[in-house]
Amino acid sequence: NAGVMQNPRHLVRRRGQEARLRCSPMKGHSHVYWYRQLPEEGLKFMVYLQKENIIDESGMPKERFSAEFPKEGPSILRIQQVVRGDSAAYFCASSPPSTVAQETQYFGPGTRLLVL
Amino acid sequence: GNSVTQMEGPVTLSEEAFLTINCTYTATGYPSLFWYVQYPGEGLQLLLKATKADDKGSNKGFEATYRKETTSFHLEKGSVQVSDSAVYFCALRDYNTDKLIFGTGTRLQVFP
Repeated sequence: NAGVMQNPRHLVRRRGQEARLRCSPMKGHSHVYWYRQLPEEGLKFMVYLQKENIIDESGMPKERFSAEFPKEGPSILRIQQVVRGDSAAYFCASSPPSTVAQETQYFGPGTRLLVL
Repeated sequence: GNSVTQMEGPVTLSEEAFLTINCTYTATGYPSLFWYVQYPGEGLQLLLKATKADDKGSNKGFEATYRKETTSFHLEKGSVQVSDSAVYFCALRDYNTDKLIFGTGTRLQVFP
């Protein structure tokens, strides 16, 4: 059973460009979470999605950031018009649908975004 | 609001030394508590967890006990190895929203 997959692992963008980060959850997992890790800091929650629904986006910046988890395909975190302050590691985690098992989130390897 | 506080690092130890990394939390309700480990350049791996008071999570020689009276979840290992060098994150699962709230992480460096 493959773990959580994220791609690309590394992404370089110039200011003003768009960044698209993809996350494929573990097989059977229907809950996806995105976290951001700034250099030398802990992870900060961004958004929680289930298939075709955003459950909690309280950690998302109000502008330029969006996330989706379509019925088919991976979850996408999209950052428009990137700025240098967006440079960070972005981690995706997934959990299964059952109430008890849902407690544990399994993390992907992350996408390290560098904005020049 | 909910929060997690970890001791600041780096923690520097010799091989076979005893390890303690302190973690305390503030939360409403009864959150589940976790320790994750991050090796250089990698993502987070679940190390251990505890879901209710007095539970002890353990894995790979690491242990942590959920102490409701002191709101703590300190990580311990009796004899560390060089391969344990990594950043350790304490986290709680928010009772109402399911999201994880992380501490700032503690870097452990173990020297031979």
